[in-house]
Amino acid sequence: AQSVTQLGSHVSVSEGALVLLRCNYSSSVPPYLFWYVQYPNQGLQLLLKYTSAATLVKGINGFEAEFKKSETSFHLTKPSAHMSDAAEYFCAVSRNSGNTPLVFGKGTRLSVIA
Amino acid sequence: GAVVSQHPSRVICKSGTSVKIECRSLDFQATTMFWYRQFPKQSLMLMATSNEGSKATYEQGVEKDKFLINHASLTLSTLTVTSAHPEDSSFYICSAKGPGNEQFFGPGTRLTVL
Repeated sequence: AQSVTQLGSHVSVSEGALVLLRCNYSSSVPPYLFWYVQYPNQGLQLLLKYTSAATLVKGINGFEAEFKKSETSFHLTKPSAHMSDAAEYFCAVSRNSGNTPLVFGKGTRLSVIA
Repeated sequence: GAVVSQHPSRVICKSGTSVKIECRSLDFQATTMFWYRQFPKQSLMLMATSNEGSKATYEQGVEKDKFLINHASLTLSTLTVTSAHPEDSSFYICSAKGPGNEQFFGPGTRLTVL
């Protein structure tokens, strides 16, 4: 079985500060890992995904994540937070990128303070 | 490309009535679609996997007679909430397997049952 744990249901950072959202996974097979962003009353937008290629994955809007097998982690970072980054962020795991459903973490709400 | 739409985006209905939610892949064909449910301030939970031309596969605890899924074409899957009750109020999100074997998410449908 696969699972995802997101540490911290709410993270608050100042505008311009580093964003770090934590995600740890559990998977019996090599995982595909994803980060999604959700704005209020909207669907999910893919930020980035890890599919066993490079361990450092760059996504949209300046976000990136590093896959660390030894730590079973896939933390999301952004060097400098913008007000527009305030949203809900979900980490997800799957056995592949499309054929199987995603297992989501509980989400982390990011607040950006001016 | 790879756009998934949902209709309606928001629906309010009376208890005991049925509501149909459509999920369409606008510019690609999707043999597999997934239906998720999201309660306020919580993560997405998979309800069922919808395969074109065959019966849907429901997750444990999801009533198949209450949540009817029909995937009659390669671009359309429908979720019908039968005899809806207030506890069915939720945000329903679909995803479709599309180009590059990736899942693309719809914008979601907010159901409120009075």
